[in-house]
Formats: sequence, structure tokens, C-alpha cells
Amino acid sequence: NAGVTQTPKFQVLKTGQSMTLQCAQDMNHNSMYWYRQDPGMGLRLIYYSASEGTTDKGEVPNGYNVSRLNKREFSLRLESAAPSQTSVYFCASSVLVGQGGEEQYFGPGTRLTVT
Amino acid sequence: AQKVTQAQTEISVVEKEDVTLDCVYETRDTTYYLFWYKQPPSGELVFLIRRNSFDEQNEISGRYSWNFQKSTSSFNFTITASQVVDSAVYFCALSEAGNRGSTLGRLYFGRGTQLTVWP
Repeated sequence: NAGVTQTPKFQVLKTGQSMTLQCAQDMNHNSMYWYRQDPGMGLRLIYYSASEGTTDKGEVPNGYNVSRLNKREFSLRLESAAPSQTSVYFCASSVLVGQGGEEQYFGPGTRLTVT
Repeated sequence: AQKVTQAQTEISVVEKEDVTLDCVYETRDTTYYLFWYKQPPSGELVFLIRRNSFDEQNEISGRYSWNFQKSTSSFNFTITASQVVDSAVYFCALSEAGNRGSTLGRLYFGRGTQLTVWP
């Protein structure tokens, strides 16, 4: 049981390049999320997927696209990277828990630098 | 408007001191959930606690304790007898139950408090 995995762990891109961040979870969770973390800003939600086949925008979706390929995988794509997208990206999945509400499980993060 | 405010950007203490990290939240929902996460220098997010809005009992786990007060919309975190290993960024977060059509699990994070514990 690996939990939430993300690839790559580190990436350097040049402005205008594209790339896809991969995320997978093996816990059979319905909901998955992409957050970005910038210094002094906490984590902000980029996109989320409440279930397979659905995706919705979060607080900061501009410049990103997502794909919920199946229940396990949720990818984040940067079509034309910009320096403002330099950040640490976290993927998460969540599950309903006994007391109500959901508990989130986070991946280890991807550190992306755009030059 | 920010849903979660952590007014303390940085705190420094000397080992064995007690330290309290403040968290103030804002929501119109009657059902919501509050969280604390720890992010050590290695970068991963470590789950510490989850509390629902109907449970105002304070919680203690070893050297950690949490004080939840709905009257002041606060969910403060105290570390007793701090240790160097407690040095990390601590995040408070909120999820809301009343957002129709939206997943319950999405979290609103505060900006974090950097805690440094000196030996």
C-alpha cells in the first residue's frame, strides 16, 4: 500500500515548455486534489475531482489542466509553463471517515522550477 | 476573504518552552472540520489532528494539545516542552460540509506558522 505517489519529485522547465505531473493513489478513494504551495501562501487548491470522470476548478486554476484518467490517477498538465508556476505541487486523495467529513492523504510533493 | 488565518508567521522558542500556535477560521457552515498539519524541513505534510464542529472538547496527545472554541472561531495548537524536532511549518486548515456539489474533502489552508525551536 503506497498511499499517494507523485512523479517526478523534481523538475526544471524553461518558460513555454509543457509537462504533466502524475499522481496515483491505491486506496480506492473517490476524491483527488491538486494543490500548490508557495512561500508564505500556504496550500491553494488548483483543481479537484470528486469522482472518476469529473473535475472542477479550485482557487488558482489558470494555466493548468487536469485529467482524471481513472479512479487511481489524476494528472496535472502545464501547457506552457511560466515562472509564476514555480512552486511545490501536492496531490491528495480523500475518503469519508466515521465521524463524518473526509480525511485527506497527501503525496510527497513535486518541486517545479520554471526558468 | 481568507477562511483560515494564522497571524503568526514565525515563532522562535528555546527547547522546553511551551508554545501556542493560533488559528482563526471563518465559515457560514454549521458543519465543518478543522485540521492541523506539520511540514518538517523534508517537505512532506504530516497529519496531526482532525476535529469536527460538533465536538468542542479539547484534545491532548502527548505533548500536543488543541483548544477549539466556536465562540471565537479559533482552533489553537499548543506544544508543551518543545523540542528541536518540533521545528517545522504548521498549517491549520478547514473543510466545509455545506458546499453543495463540491467535495467535502477540499481544504482551505492558512498561510502557516514557521516554528523554530532552539537547543
